[in-house]
Amino acid sequence: GEDVEQSLFLSVREGDSSVINCTYTDSSSTYLYWYKQEPGAGLQLLTYIFSNMDMKQDQRLTVLLNKKDKHLSLRIADTQTGDSAIYFCAESKPAYGNNRLAFGKGNQVVVIP
Amino acid sequence: KAGVTQTPRYLIKTRGQQVTLSCSPISGHRSVSWYQQTPGQGLQFLFEYFSETQRNKGNFPGRFSGRQFSNSRSEMNVSTLELGDSALYLCASGEAGNTEAFFGQGTRLTVV
Repeated sequence: GEDVEQSLFLSVREGDSSVINCTYTDSSSTYLYWYKQEPGAGLQLLTYIFSNMDMKQDQRLTVLLNKKDKHLSLRIADTQTGDSAIYFCAESKPAYGNNRLAFGKGNQVVVIP
Repeated sequence: KAGVTQTPRYLIKTRGQQVTLSCSPISGHRSVSWYQQTPGQGLQFLFEYFSETQRNKGNFPGRFSGRQFSNSRSEMNVSTLELGDSALYLCASGEAGNTEAFFGQGTRLTVV
């Protein structure tokens, strides 16, 4: 997880938007991912973006990628209580193959009703 | 399709013992990767198997090993368990050449 950094905690009111940030160090990363982990559960793939894209939108989720700054963000619109979880960003590198992911430490999101 | 299935869900072992964890990938997926998740180190890659061959290996001691069978099911083994091996072990499966990796619920290993 040393290559990917995330802030640790975010509190947001239900109905507001939440933005989770991530920075990565390897400019050769091919794909960048967002995973969600609820208590006691595995990782759920939310979305991913190819490194030649700037933005990807999928329903309430918007991913922004700034390659110059190596910065990735996930915006969740109309945040719901079910969005309370830990969110991980991850990168894959061509040298390792797309099935070897490097994860950040995670960002805990708490949604306040 | 059924998801990735990991067994057992919970396991308690004593220091010095060895343990085997199992992962059944999504039907049709030939890639299986293993990760260790701990509060201190986060999620760390252990190894990846594809068509019964280890294709990638993370930075873990030789006590951690794995294998994949012809039906793509995978097992990982940890010998001579240490307290620090207590973790959530996650398995992910993927299709050949595909970008998406799907995770199982994990096996929670506690070493006492």
